[in-house]
Amino acid sequence: KQEVTQIPAALSVPEGENLVLNCSFTDSAIYNLQWFRQDPGKGLTSLLLIQSSQREQTSGRLNASLDKSSGRSTLYIAASQPGDSATYLCAVRHLRNTDKLIFGTGTRLQVFP
Amino acid sequence: NAGVTQTPKFQVLKTGQSMTLQCAQDMNHEYMSWYRQDPGMGLRLIHYSVGAGITDQGEVPNGYNVSRSTTEDFPLRLLSAAPSQTSVYFCASSPDRGIIQYFGAGTRLSVL
Repeated sequence: KQEVTQIPAALSVPEGENLVLNCSFTDSAIYNLQWFRQDPGKGLTSLLLIQSSQREQTSGRLNASLDKSSGRSTLYIAASQPGDSATYLCAVRHLRNTDKLIFGTGTRLQVFP
Repeated sequence: NAGVTQTPKFQVLKTGQSMTLQCAQDMNHEYMSWYRQDPGMGLRLIHYSVGAGITDQGEVPNGYNVSRSTTEDFPLRLLSAAPSQTSVYFCASSPDRGIIQYFGAGTRLSVL
């Protein structure tokens, strides 16, 4: 059974720092991996999608990498800002069932001025 | 263009009551799904639909029913609410079954 783990569970950093959020999964037979952002009391916003054949994706200050063989993905946030404060979730789809997203429990990020 | 709309935003039920959580999208997406989010457990898939008239079970379907009579609507029914169903429920839709792009704002449900 696919399990997705995110470490750390919470992170508090000063504004301007570059930071890395980690996501690991137990079954490397994935179709793709997706990073989401969730603000308190709100739904999820898709940030980046990496197909299994890709190594990384970039969007603005965000860069997500994927190492399928080791079961790991990282989300790199450059020059963090207080507006980046949110919970970040990663989720994977299995090759044999692309209809189902398996989510990690998230990393709660706080960026203080 | 409202995206994915969920109603109600909050609901309190007594054990044994039934209710329907509404989800509507105006983007003509074929794929829709329901998740529940519990503390420390992440989001878990309840049911999903790849088009009108087609539904399937997700990871935690017990206690929930769905139907998809139109492309726009995907209601989630609790037939006899239990305290274990206290959670935040999210509906999502996507133009492609391999990508979930749009989430609703959620329904926070408490079952007493």
